[in-house]
Amino acid sequence: ETGVTQSPTHLIKTRGQQVTLRCSSQSGHNTVSWYQQALGQGPQFIFQYYREEENGRGNFPPRFSGLQFPNYSSELNVNALELDDSALYLCASSSGDRGWDEKLFFGSGTQLSVL
Amino acid sequence: GIQVEQSPPDLILQEGANSTLRCNFSDSVNNLQWFHQNPWGQLINLFYIPSGTKQNGRLSATTVATERYSLLYISSSQTTDSGVYFCAVGWGAGSYQLTFGKGTKLSVIP
Repeated sequence: ETGVTQSPTHLIKTRGQQVTLRCSSQSGHNTVSWYQQALGQGPQFIFQYYREEENGRGNFPPRFSGLQFPNYSSELNVNALELDDSALYLCASSSGDRGWDEKLFFGSGTQLSVL
Repeated sequence: GIQVEQSPPDLILQEGANSTLRCNFSDSVNNLQWFHQNPWGQLINLFYIPSGTKQNGRLSATTVATERYSLLYISSSQTTDSGVYFCAVGWGAGSYQLTFGKGTKLSVIP
């Protein structure tokens, strides 16, 4: 049991719509990262939030945006959905303050299908 | 960016057999983790191992940072070990970004 929870577990949207995915970090963790995992591939880094500020971003367009709240929960928002956005979206949390010896703990993910 | 290659891509084992999974990376790293993704999609952190050797039950891992590779050993495999094993590395400053390999899909048959 990692303690990282994501909602919803599954979601179906149509092209052009907007979607919000949610993540609750493991207790005591102040850093959250979001990853996109296409079928048959390894997860790809979208962005990371540390104490409510974006701390790093992967190669994803601006229509992917996020928020981290004071309780360290987080949202991933995707605007203008495209078919290629269909994937498993994973949230990961970690503890500590910008240290490098940090294990990541993942939630079970949200499976997004864009039709 | 850094490249992460895992081998073999697929592995089928009889229950009770041992296996070694390999992860090669193209540059110096300061973070290396092994994960197991079960058939339901859950990623479980197995090891944080940027260098050295660690053991946890039937699993052990070794990272030789100077030679840019890491190995994951599974002994006495069980059907519950089935799934995809990912190596992920981090480098640079200011971010916890991990770059994942494509994974090794392990199937353990009774």
